[in-house]
Amino acid sequence: QSVLTQPPSVSAAPGQKVTISCSGSSSNIGNNYVSWYQQLPGTAPKLLIYENNKRPSGIPDRFSGSKSGTSATLGITGLQTGDEADYYCGTWDSSLSVWVFGGGTKLTVL
Amino acid sequence: EVQLVESGGGLVKPGGSLRLSCAASGFTFSSYSMNWVRQAPGKGLEWVSSISSSSSYIYYADSVKGRFTISRDNAKNSLYLQMNSLRAEDTAVYYCAKLDTAMVTWGQGTLVTVSS
Repeated sequence: QSVLTQPPSVSAAPGQKVTISCSGSSSNIGNNYVSWYQQLPGTAPKLLIYENNKRPSGIPDRFSGSKSGTSATLGITGLQTGDEADYYCGTWDSSLSVWVFGGGTKLTVL
Repeated sequence: EVQLVESGGGLVKPGGSLRLSCAASGFTFSSYSMNWVRQAPGKGLEWVSSISSSSSYIYYADSVKGRFTISRDNAKNSLYLQMNSLRAEDTAVYYCAKLDTAMVTWGQGTLVTVSS
């Protein structure tokens, strides 16, 4: 069982919008930056969002991140079939002194 | 171009040992903390260990504490993971990742299989 809780799966049609939630506690999300990672099938994870809502160079603005209290959300607009992947949230847990990931959310673009 | 290349994976028997390496290039390796993250077949990401830029701070997941040792050689731009007393549940793809406020760059991974 992961320290951070994500829905196992989400789905939406091409062109639509989807959000993926990540719930934690005051020792992790509540007091540390959240990052989001995309893992396309058979590939290594890639950073999508860092410091809660910032996008690395090359990540389209269809991807957005937000944080409120002990929860974070990844938003993806204008869904494309190429967005089908597993998405993970991650952050540092200050109480446990460990890095924690959510269990991952599989996005299906119908 | 920032690049991380893992090596050293393979098939090992339960109770055996393996040493993973991660060669870094394209950035000032000695300025960044580094991580090992693993992914068992069909499972999610699991953080394994972190080491600060000067090796002053080292952290481990409970699942590997006492069995795995992370280290680095800044002169060689290399990160290592010594894995001892390996178990079947350690079977996974092992990734090294450069850490800033997030895991900004990942290697392609190396597969470790623990089986008799």
